[in-house]
Amino acid sequence: EVQLMESGGGLKQSGGSLRLSCVASGFIFSNYEMNWVRQAPGEGLEWVAYIGSGDGTKHYADSVKGRFSISRDNAKNSLYLQMNSLRAEDTAIYYCARELAGSGPAFDYWGQGILVTVSS
Amino acid sequence: QSVLTQSPSASGTPGQRVTISCSGSTSNIGIHTVNWYQHLPGTAPKLLIYGKNQRPTGVPDRFSGSKSGTSASLVISGLQSEDEADYYCASWDDSLNGYVFGTGTKVTVL
Repeated sequence: EVQLMESGGGLKQSGGSLRLSCVASGFIFSNYEMNWVRQAPGEGLEWVAYIGSGDGTKHYADSVKGRFSISRDNAKNSLYLQMNSLRAEDTAIYYCARELAGSGPAFDYWGQGILVTVSS
Repeated sequence: QSVLTQSPSASGTPGQRVTISCSGSTSNIGIHTVNWYQHLPGTAPKLLIYGKNQRPTGVPDRFSGSKSGTSASLVISGLQSEDEADYYCASWDDSLNGYVFGTGTKVTVL
């Protein structure tokens, strides 16, 4: 069974840093591109970052570019999101999501989500 | 604000057909695949439609997607009470060099 489990969320002050982790199981992690998606309170879904299966290719939403960094450790079946210079508007539930190859933003499995709260 | 625009809400009675639209541009929907998600509060989003109107295993065939020019649509044929949720389109955008989600449509079953 495919499972994605996020951890590392919590309450941080504006300007602080946080590192989210997502541990994958039930599939060959190294074969899949991965993404982070978030949803702020009362808002819609927002794509945050993408990483290729070999970790060489990375893309970011403009709202987090230069502050967030996505990475992966295929040996540990883990995906990460390093979040620096946090702002109040980064407050959201963060999801890691597996991407189906060749189908655009087709995220077929998602974690349960982890809450990040940034206080100003 | 997202570059993919959806109507904020849609509604219908059980059994009715509901159409959700997603308007984009030549840098996203016009040249890239559109995928659709269903999102219930407190749960992870669920992929409904991907690629050329493909449905993941377990998604009922009452959900279908289409695209024309720079717009896309999700149709729910035979609306059911469990379809009450938020729906999002998503695509790649060449100008932003990243994925984008639509603004979301809340579907209410009357």
